[in-house]
Amino acid sequence: NAGVTQTPKFQVLKTGQSMTLQCAQDMNHEYMSWYRQDPGMGLRLIHYSVGAGITDQGEVPNGYNVSRSTTEDFPLRLLSAAPSQTSVYFCASSYSITGLAWGEQFFGPGTRLTVL
Amino acid sequence: GENVEQHPSTLSVQEGDSAVIKCTYSDSASNYFPWYKQELGKRPQLIIDIRSNVGEKKDQRIAVTLNKTAKHFSLHITETQPEDSAVYFCFKGEKLTFGTGTRLTIIP
Repeated sequence: NAGVTQTPKFQVLKTGQSMTLQCAQDMNHEYMSWYRQDPGMGLRLIHYSVGAGITDQGEVPNGYNVSRSTTEDFPLRLLSAAPSQTSVYFCASSYSITGLAWGEQFFGPGTRLTVL
Repeated sequence: GENVEQHPSTLSVQEGDSAVIKCTYSDSASNYFPWYKQELGKRPQLIIDIRSNVGEKKDQRIAVTLNKTAKHFSLHITETQPEDSAVYFCFKGEKLTFGTGTRLTIIP
């Protein structure tokens, strides 16, 4: 199994450009999420999904859109890139456990995004 | 999101000594308490977790303790080694909230 994959690994954008960060998992996990990690900082939740067709906002959703048309894929769209969106983006997937909100999260390798 | 406080933010210990990192939370609706380790330039990975029906769990040199009354859980690393140097995060599943992280440095 490849686990959680993310593309691209690195990306440089100009202010105002749009792009999609790709995330895929082959573990048949119901739950998926996107985080951003700024230098020396923790992980902040952008959006998450508890199943195909279901998404919700996290702590820092402004400027980002998501969709979940399949169990495997959870792309993150930057609508109009801004320098404040320079960060490392991690996608994660997780399984549900009876009685628990989320089980162990499996992270992708990350996408390092720079917005000029 | 939920308030999850993690302390300390940085910790340096001599190799062979023990390290303890603590997370305090505010939401009582919690029954799963994991800890993640992130090495420099790498992705976070789960190292240990505990469910609310137990007070302590050990895995070799790593242990997690839970005090539900006081609403805190702690990561304990004994006999620290250079490869323990990393950033450690606690996590609260209900609101998908990570703690602010602890940068642990092991001094040879």
